[in-house]
Amino acid sequence: QKEVEQNSGPLSVPEGAIASLNCTYSDRVSQSFFWYRQYSGKSPELIMSIYSNGDKEDGRFTAQLNKASQYVSLLIRDSQPSDSATYLCAATRYSSASKIIFGSGTRLSIRP
Amino acid sequence: DTGVSQDPRHKITKRGQNVTFRCDPISEHNRLYWYRQTLGQGPEFLTYFQNEAQLEKSRLLSDRFSAERPKGSFSTLEIQRTEQGDSAMYLCASSLVSGSKETQYFGPGTRLLVL
Repeated sequence: QKEVEQNSGPLSVPEGAIASLNCTYSDRVSQSFFWYRQYSGKSPELIMSIYSNGDKEDGRFTAQLNKASQYVSLLIRDSQPSDSATYLCAATRYSSASKIIFGSGTRLSIRP
Repeated sequence: DTGVSQDPRHKITKRGQNVTFRCDPISEHNRLYWYRQTLGQGPEFLTYFQNEAQLEKSRLLSDRFSAERPKGSFSTLEIQRTEQGDSAMYLCASSLVSGSKETQYFGPGTRLLVL
């Protein structure tokens, strides 16, 4: 089992709708979870970090962490064409809290 | 610009040549990371430094790869005797540890193509 798993997509969502991105993780990662956005040809850009169970909201973005079920999700409200990108889920390992393990990313496409 | 910077942004080289990349972290950040990313994959951890000390290296980092951070500021990543499989985006990130929380911020990357 990969340590951080994401559906590669593409996920197509109409403009203005809610985009829901999901990520599952293994027992070997924990503590800290991150969502990065990556536009084609660019480097990852941090959107959200979440450390404890529950929801964390920042503008149009909400991260949800459920440690019992080992999943973390990202909701994007009022999706805009500029949200079209690859979204990377990432987590730190128990054994090395500084090493971030990334999923392979989900491609999101917002259709006008 | 106060973000992480990397140089060069693009590098084309022939197989067998050596290449060196530079990363300048955010000035107050004490940790610096190198990652490699290939198409369709997330970044893969290569190594990281706390100040000038290299604390961890991935098994991905073969003996052809070496990284330094001599004064705890900028870092270099050198690849010797490049191979076509080294073609990738090389990303640098820096962070400032605050208690148990740490957030890494990425530079723009160096895209390497080995012919």
